[in-house]
Amino acid sequence: RKEVEQDPGPFNVPEGATVAFNCTYSNSASQSFFWYRQDCRKEPKLLMSVYSSGNEDGRFTAQLNRASQYISLLIRDSKLSDSATYLCVVNPGGYQKVTFGIGTKLQVIP
Amino acid sequence: NAGVTQTPKFQVLKTGQSMTLQCAQDMNHEYMSWYRQDPGMGLRLIHYSVGAGITDQGEVPNGYNVSRSTTEDFPLRLLSAAPSQTSVYFCASSFFGGASPEAFFGQGTRLTVV
Repeated sequence: RKEVEQDPGPFNVPEGATVAFNCTYSNSASQSFFWYRQDCRKEPKLLMSVYSSGNEDGRFTAQLNRASQYISLLIRDSKLSDSATYLCVVNPGGYQKVTFGIGTKLQVIP
Repeated sequence: NAGVTQTPKFQVLKTGQSMTLQCAQDMNHEYMSWYRQDPGMGLRLIHYSVGAGITDQGEVPNGYNVSRSTTEDFPLRLLSAAPSQTSVYFCASSFFGGASPEAFFGQGTRLTVV
């Protein structure tokens, strides 16, 4: 089983739609989790951290389910500018390496 | 505050040539890493370092060497370039531990080996 698994998509959604991505991880002792956004031919940038209690940033909501070992990202009222690849990131903590998911491509269409 | 500076941005090499990709960060981060990104493959870890003098292999280390003589710098050396090493390379750094060790990336190096 891969350390971090994501559906690569693409997810093609109309403007205004709600879309959700999931990401599963294999290391149950992982300590911190993030969603990154990567635009075409650019470097990944932090979108938001994922907290145990769930957290929201505007139209974006991130959730963590430790029991089932997955994190999710919900985007409400999709905008054209949300089109990008969304990377799930898991940090086991300590001196273990950070692992990135393959990324989920989102295309918001007019 | 420069963050992570990666050079060069573009490079074309001939098969068999060697070169060094430079990566420097000014945030006093302990953790630095190199990734390559290929279409449909996501980010694959090449090498990483948890501090000066300490490096370790990632998922795809063959053909690459690294060293970490200072906290700030983490160069990646291609020993004898091969067409299979054509890719986009990203350097990243972050703090260790803490509540939110966000990773910062350089702008990437687009390498073509002919």
